[in-house]
Amino acid sequence: QKEVEQDPGPLSVPEGAIVSLNCTYSNSAFQYFMWYRQYSRKGPELLMYTYSSGNKEDGRFTAQVDKSSKYISLFIRDSQPSDSATYLCAMITSYGKLTFGQGTILTVHP
Amino acid sequence: NAGVTQTPKFQVLKTGQSMTLQCAQDMNHNSMYWYRQDPGMGLRLIYYSASEGTTDKGEVPNGYNVSRLNKREFSLRLESAAPSQTSVYFCASSAPRGMSTDTQYFGPGTRLTVL
Repeated sequence: QKEVEQDPGPLSVPEGAIVSLNCTYSNSAFQYFMWYRQYSRKGPELLMYTYSSGNKEDGRFTAQVDKSSKYISLFIRDSQPSDSATYLCAMITSYGKLTFGQGTILTVHP
Repeated sequence: NAGVTQTPKFQVLKTGQSMTLQCAQDMNHNSMYWYRQDPGMGLRLIYYSASEGTTDKGEVPNGYNVSRLNKREFSLRLESAAPSQTSVYFCASSAPRGMSTDTQYFGPGTRLTVL
């Protein structure tokens, strides 16, 4: 079983929809949680970062962490075609081990 | 400030050939990493260098070697390329622990095909 599980999709939504991307994990040592966005033929770029349970909002993006359930989510409100990309969750333990999810391919169509 | 740069962008090799992928960062980061990305597998760590002069194996090191040439540069070498090494290779760097969130900054990638 992988330490981090992420549904690869693909996920296709109409413009303006609310998108929910999710990851589950099994390692209780994960302390820091991130979401990266990767456009086609580009390197991943950090989108959101959080280290505590609860919600963190940045514009149209909300990162949610539930450590008790070992579950993290990224919500995208009012999705735009420019949000079409692969979204990767990533987690770090307190001793620096970083693990990525497989990535979810998102397409927002006009 | 170019961030993380990688060369070449594309490469086609024949089985058994060797090559070196180059990576450089201008953010004064201590730590540097090499990943490969394959469909359905996400990003897998090949090697990393926590600081100049040190390198350590990651999840999938077999068939690769690395050199941390100086603080800025971290190269990945394939001594005898195999078709299983066909992949997209990403270099990344991060600041020292305690100074930031260990956020990794990625280069644009090298697309390697081994025939």
